Amino acid sequence: LAKTTQPISMDSYEGQEVNITCSHNNIATNDYITWYQQFPSQGPRFIIQGYKTKVTNEVASLFIPADRKSSTLSLPRVSLSDTAVYYCLVGVWGAGNMLTFGGGTRLMVKP
Amino acid sequence: DAMVIQNPRYQVTQFGKPVTLSCSQTLNHNVMYWYQQKSSQAPKLLFHYYDKDFNNEADTPDNFQSRRPNTSFCFLDIRSPGLGDAAMYLCATSTGPGVNGYTFGSGTRLTVV
Repeated sequence: LAKTTQPISMDSYEGQEVNITCSHNNIATNDYITWYQQFPSQGPRFIIQGYKTKVTNEVASLFIPADRKSSTLSLPRVSLSDTAVYYCLVGVWGAGNMLTFGGGTRLMVKP
Repeated sequence: DAMVIQNPRYQVTQFGKPVTLSCSQTLNHNVMYWYQQKSSQAPKLLFHYYDKDFNNEADTPDNFQSRRPNTSFCFLDIRSPGLGDAAMYLCATSTGPGVNGYTFGSGTRLTVV
């Protein structure tokens, strides 16, 4: 299983772009990269998933370099409500593939 | 909306008194998972069901058991809760092999007194 490493915490201000990088040096060929967001006292919520290059949806972008040994979650123009813990997971989903949550990055957005 | 529902949201139990947490899903997903999340820690997988097949993580204590009577429901039984079992318990589902993410419930916060 690919292990992930993320910064423990980050601070930002409202309206700024936030980039959170995740390292996954031993990612396997079939592995996908998925990011989750978790607010206090709630279950994690899917944000974005990608395999290579760049993926964008209505809430975030995911940048994956050619070697796929890292990925960067980009949150444009964050607001106070983006304060949460962000988890990077790497693997192939499904029964028998036990995906492990890493430590996560605690993002604090300040006014 | 299709979703994963956990009941209750908050549960208080006495030390050593068996407790059951429940999870239901309307997604018709094959796989259901139980995670334990302690304060300021990442979720830790306890076990999962793929259809009726039960898969236990190697380090899950015997104190924790699970039942899945049908596709929609899954239960977490803690036979003799200790103070160290106080945590948020998260249920999640997925469709099985393939490229899909988890859908999580809102969790049940268990307090042991």
